[in-house]
Amino acid sequence: GQQVMQIPQYQHVQEGEDFTTYCNSSTTLSNIQWYKQRPGGHPVFLIQLVKSGEVKKQKRLTFQFGEAKKNSSLHITATQTTDVGTYFCALYTGTASKLTFGTGTRLQVTL
Amino acid sequence: DAGITQSPRHKVTETGTPVTLRCHQTENHRYMYWYRQDPGHGLRLIHYSYGVKDTDKGEVSDGYSVSRSKTEDFLLTLESATSSQTSVYFCAISRPSGGAPDTQYFGPGTRLTVL
Repeated sequence: GQQVMQIPQYQHVQEGEDFTTYCNSSTTLSNIQWYKQRPGGHPVFLIQLVKSGEVKKQKRLTFQFGEAKKNSSLHITATQTTDVGTYFCALYTGTASKLTFGTGTRLQVTL
Repeated sequence: DAGITQSPRHKVTETGTPVTLRCHQTENHRYMYWYRQDPGHGLRLIHYSYGVKDTDKGEVSDGYSVSRSKTEDFLLTLESATSSQTSVYFCAISRPSGGAPDTQYFGPGTRLTVL
């Protein structure tokens, strides 16, 4: 089945710095979803991208889907301590609405 | 949230004992899933259900079984727990997303330790 590589695995930033995580695939993706998991919490759906080149924003978060639909990125501008957590990309497989999750990027933000 | 509860939230057990984890949803969703989460592996699908008494295996199903006798309940059983099954277990449901592919909503998780 389709798989995605997520990079980096971990990033530590100072509050106010920007952060980007990438999700890459060797095959064309039909869509991509992003989830956030706070420490000790459960994954929470953030956004879904389905169109080539699509860009969506949620306040300081910008999500992009590559033109070739083989990669996606999540960019956070001016990180805050509330952004701490692990960010996962996920592929919708279609069968029984299953998702295949990337391994996640853990973000640590310090003052 | 999608009205998903998991029980127990924490459990410590010994190798060789049977363990059952329960997932309960209140919104009558058709699809339900069990994942395990381990450092470096993200979320891996154990089993899923597409209706009452309809279940299938995920990518890491060995050592696990599931049952769904009612729409609202999805049970995960470790017949004979092993230390490699120490993990955090999440239940999820799939929810329609207004014409786009379904998205998933997760329960709070169960932290299982097998000694």
